[in-house]
Amino acid sequence: EPEVTQTPSHQVTQMGQEVILRCVPISNHLYFYWYRQILGQKVEFLVSFYNNEISEKSEIFDDQFSVERPDGSNFTLKIRSTKLEDSAMYFCASSYRGAEAFFGQGTRLTVV
Amino acid sequence: GQQVMQIPQYQHVQEGEDFTTYCNSSTTLSNIQWYKQRPGGHPVFLIQLVKSGEVKKQKRLTFQFGEAKKNSSLHITATQTTDVGTYFCAVMISSGSARQLTFGSGTQLTVLP
Repeated sequence: EPEVTQTPSHQVTQMGQEVILRCVPISNHLYFYWYRQILGQKVEFLVSFYNNEISEKSEIFDDQFSVERPDGSNFTLKIRSTKLEDSAMYFCASSYRGAEAFFGQGTRLTVV
Repeated sequence: GQQVMQIPQYQHVQEGEDFTTYCNSSTTLSNIQWYKQRPGGHPVFLIQLVKSGEVKKQKRLTFQFGEAKKNSSLHITATQTTDVGTYFCAVMISSGSARQLTFGSGTQLTVLP
């Protein structure tokens, strides 16, 4: 069964450093999303991406964040200068027609 | 944007008891989706409801969408330890090609053996 894959599973980084989280969405899907989940809390929408551009973004997705689809398969989330409060689980998701979303296993980001 | 409130936040039940979580909105929803997240896992899609008064069943799980499309519920009959996890309702907001899936706060279910 096709699945969304994310790497790395766990990333530890120093405050102020840049991180790139990587995702390979399901191959025929058209919509791509990034979410974050602080431990024990709700799943928060960051950004959605369609047709090679951002289609929606939340207030959380400020200038420190950017997304790219550098080739036909990868979808990346970059955080330019990490802060302690960026520590969370980051989930990538994709959907075909924008209905049900398939989530990856997540990347646990720890900023120290 | 559209917000959904979910209650209760936590629920502990004895194995074999029933469980219900509720999702409410102050505005009419075009759809409602339900996801399950096991401890340490990722959200997994369960179902989508789009019609007023819709009821769908998946084995021991019953999903309802209110007549006014402002509330929804997930009911589990005779819970099992495999039902443990957090259940989220979510709304897919569409505008042209834009898509935003907004989650409720979730109900964390603990099933005591």
